[in-house]
Amino acid sequence: ILNVEQSPQSLHVQEGDSTNFTCSFPSSNFYALHWYRWETAKSPEALFVMTLNGDEKKKGRISATLNTKEGYSYLYIKGSQPEDSATYLCAFRPNSGYALNFGKGTSLLVTP
Amino acid sequence: EAQVTQNPRYLITVTGKKLTVTCSQNMNHEYMSWYRQDPGLGLRQIYYSMNVEVTDKGDVPEGYKVSRKEKRNFPLILESPSPNQTSLYFCASSLSGQGFAEAFFGQGTRLTVV
Repeated sequence: ILNVEQSPQSLHVQEGDSTNFTCSFPSSNFYALHWYRWETAKSPEALFVMTLNGDEKKKGRISATLNTKEGYSYLYIKGSQPEDSATYLCAFRPNSGYALNFGKGTSLLVTP
Repeated sequence: EAQVTQNPRYLITVTGKKLTVTCSQNMNHEYMSWYRQDPGLGLRQIYYSMNVEVTDKGDVPEGYKVSRKEKRNFPLILESPSPNQTSLYFCASSLSGQGFAEAFFGQGTRLTVV
């Protein structure tokens, strides 16, 4: 099992705040980095799949960046809303094997 | 609607009583996998399948079996469940086993073994 670290473990922000969290992964043997959003009592849903160093992806108020050389990805949420409350998971796919290696997630709570 | 369907959603069973959790996808995906989620740990892969009749162990396969006789179905079998298999289980599928394909998850099965 490859070491994928996410920080912070949890985060509590006010509506309208912008926030970001980090996913760290092994910089060698990189193939792809996934971000998923997991709401309570639902199933994880894909946000982004990133494969190239320097990649930046955006979906509405959520964006992500990727640095494969140093082994990290940032997820940004601009102007957080209560409906953004969820656990955000990142998953690292190495060049060898077929497994997605998940981090433990960052739990975000946005209060009005 | 494209989806991954797991059944049952909740299950309480006794130690040693064989059970099967079903998983079906309607997206014609080649790759399917099973994960378990435990408190304080990330999703851990149990088994995966690259295509029909092709299955392989993930990181935590002990105590589980799978089969892939049809492309759409990938059941998870616990021959003799034990309390340490109490967990939240997710089935997932993706277009291929290549890392650029996003995974689609089922709604989860919460299993309790007493």
